[in-house]
Amino acid sequence: QKEVEQDPGPLSVPEGAIVSLNCTYSNSAFQYFMWYRQYSRKGPELLMYTYSSGNKEDGRFTAQVDKSSKYISLFIRDSQPSDSATYLCAMSAGSSASKIIFGSGTRLSIRP
Amino acid sequence: EAGVAQSPRYKIIEKRQSVAFWCNPISGHATLYWYQQILGQGPKLLIQFQNNGVVDDSQLPKDRFSAERLKGVDSTLKIQPAKLEDSAVYLCASSPGFGVKNIQYFGAGTRLSVL
Repeated sequence: QKEVEQDPGPLSVPEGAIVSLNCTYSNSAFQYFMWYRQYSRKGPELLMYTYSSGNKEDGRFTAQVDKSSKYISLFIRDSQPSDSATYLCAMSAGSSASKIIFGSGTRLSIRP
Repeated sequence: EAGVAQSPRYKIIEKRQSVAFWCNPISGHATLYWYQQILGQGPKLLIQFQNNGVVDDSQLPKDRFSAERLKGVDSTLKIQPAKLEDSAVYLCASSPGFGVKNIQYFGAGTRLSVL
């Protein structure tokens, strides 16, 4: 079983829709949860960063963490064609020596 | 502020050949990472440097991969000899400090095809 599971998609939605992206994980030691966006032929860039459980909002993006279910989500409101990219969840146990474990990514396409 | 620079952008080699990738991190960033991203997968950490010392190389296939970071700035990653399964994008990232709370900034990567 992989430490981090993510549906690869592809996911295609019309412009303006609400997008929901999800990951599950198995390591209960994970405390730091991140979402990265990766455009084609580019490196990943950090979108959202959350510590422990709860919600975090930044503009059109909301990250949710449910540690009891080992489940994290990213919601995108009023989706735009420029949001078309691969979204990678990532997590870490948080100690100074802990590496970041990435999900396999969900490819998202926003139709104009 | 200039981002993480990587070269070359693309490389095609035959199996058993050697190849090297170069990374120039963001100025002043103490920590440098090399990741391997196979098509359809997330990045996997190969090696992490803090200044010019290795912090974590547990997932580096040391029989064929090597990396160095001279003077705590630029870094090179080498594969010798390459195998078909090494075909991937090799990403370099840097962060100001050490630990998960430091944001990692990624370069665009080097896309390697091994034939």
